[in-house]
Amino acid sequence: DQQVKQNSPSLSVQEGRISILNCDYTNSMFDYFLWYKKYPAEGPTFLISISSIKDKNEDGRFTVFLNKSAKHLSLHIVPSQPGDSAVYFCAATPGSGNTGKLIFGQGTTLQVKP
Amino acid sequence: ETGVTQSPTHLIKTRGQQVTLRCSSQSGHNTVSWYQQALGQGPQFIFQYYREEENGRGNFPPRFSGLQFPNYSSELNVNALELDDSALYLCASSLGRSIQYFGAGTRLSVL
Repeated sequence: DQQVKQNSPSLSVQEGRISILNCDYTNSMFDYFLWYKKYPAEGPTFLISISSIKDKNEDGRFTVFLNKSAKHLSLHIVPSQPGDSAVYFCAATPGSGNTGKLIFGQGTTLQVKP
Repeated sequence: ETGVTQSPTHLIKTRGQQVTLRCSSQSGHNTVSWYQQALGQGPQFIFQYYREEENGRGNFPPRFSGLQFPNYSSELNVNALELDDSALYLCASSLGRSIQYFGAGTRLSVL
């Protein structure tokens, strides 16, 4: 069963606008969440994370929001840039804190048009 | 500081064969995790090694086995290869429970 789901396989936005990538999870025991970005022929690169004790975390243009009651998180990229075009994965870790045993969603391909 | 490196980058095997994939962790990292990424899917956790001991395993059969060496590099071994084992295999290293850094992966094709 898919414990972490990214229901949108792809997203296209205009440069300068906001990109919103969504992720749902089913396991209420998940305690720590991460977003990774992946370019072709490269490994996933860590972007931003959030602990279940918080509902928002910001790092520059990237903000992650966590809604525990809805078991939903989202990544906002503002403003979007063409270099942000990549596959974005959300991931969760079971157990307490970041256990490093990541459970990934299927990924969302973001295309930012100039 | 060198990042996570994996070898080989590509590999072709036939069904029933055995394969060994290698990973050199980032300098200073003592934890290595392995993932399998099938086409169009997210990476799936295979197992994790911490200070040379297995520290958790995903839903993979015993023919997937691993090893971590004193220098914290690691190997993933897969016996009796099946067609469904064709995937990108990713290695990630970290310092304990810190953020994981991924290598570029090994693309395995089983014919």
